[in-house]
Amino acid sequence: AQSVSQHNHHVILSEAASLELGCNYSYGGTVNLFWYVQYPGQHLQLLLKYFSGDPLVKGIKGFEAEFIKSKFSFNLRKPSVQWSDTAEYFCAVNAPTGGFKTIFGAGTRLFVKA
Amino acid sequence: GAGVSQSPSNKVTEKGKDVELRCDPISGHTALYWYRQRLGQGLEFLIYFQGNSAPDKSGLPSDRFSAERTGESVSTLTIQRTQQEDSAVYLCASSLNGRDTGELFFGEGSRLTVL
Repeated sequence: AQSVSQHNHHVILSEAASLELGCNYSYGGTVNLFWYVQYPGQHLQLLLKYFSGDPLVKGIKGFEAEFIKSKFSFNLRKPSVQWSDTAEYFCAVNAPTGGFKTIFGAGTRLFVKA
Repeated sequence: GAGVSQSPSNKVTEKGKDVELRCDPISGHTALYWYRQRLGQGLEFLIYFQGNSAPDKSGLPSDRFSAERTGESVSTLTIQRTQQEDSAVYLCASSLNGRDTGELFFGEGSRLTVL
């Protein structure tokens, strides 16, 4: 069965610090990978996604993620965070043989100090 | 509609009562998903609809939980004889076609509190 593991539950950074949020999944076949974000008081929305091709994916607001197949990882990065990046971040995976049921990680709460 | 709409946004009920939560997906989206998010936890998959059929009900926690979808549109999640552990935010999402690799579009959620 698919599962998603996010290593950090809470992260606190100062503005301009670099961010890396870890995500590992357990599934041996072809997968599609996603990062979703939930800003305070808002609904979940897509940040970026990987289906195939270049393993380095660019998303909105300067975020990027790198798919490393050998490590079953899809870590999220941003070189310089802003106060407005304060949110909860969820890594997610689905797979064709899993019926495209999307499985989410437990989430990482990021707080950026101004 | 413009987005996924869920109602009620908040529901407080007494233990043992039945509740119905409604989801109106984006027009034209054939796939619909229900998730549960308990306080401080991640999203827990409940059920997935492709059209009106539910190919995957594996996440429903017990037989007190059921869901239906009619007309490839509105879906209702019903929880019978609610328990305190049912307290959570219930999220609905839709996607254009569950068989492709598209993103999920989420509603605002229905926050259920069981006293």
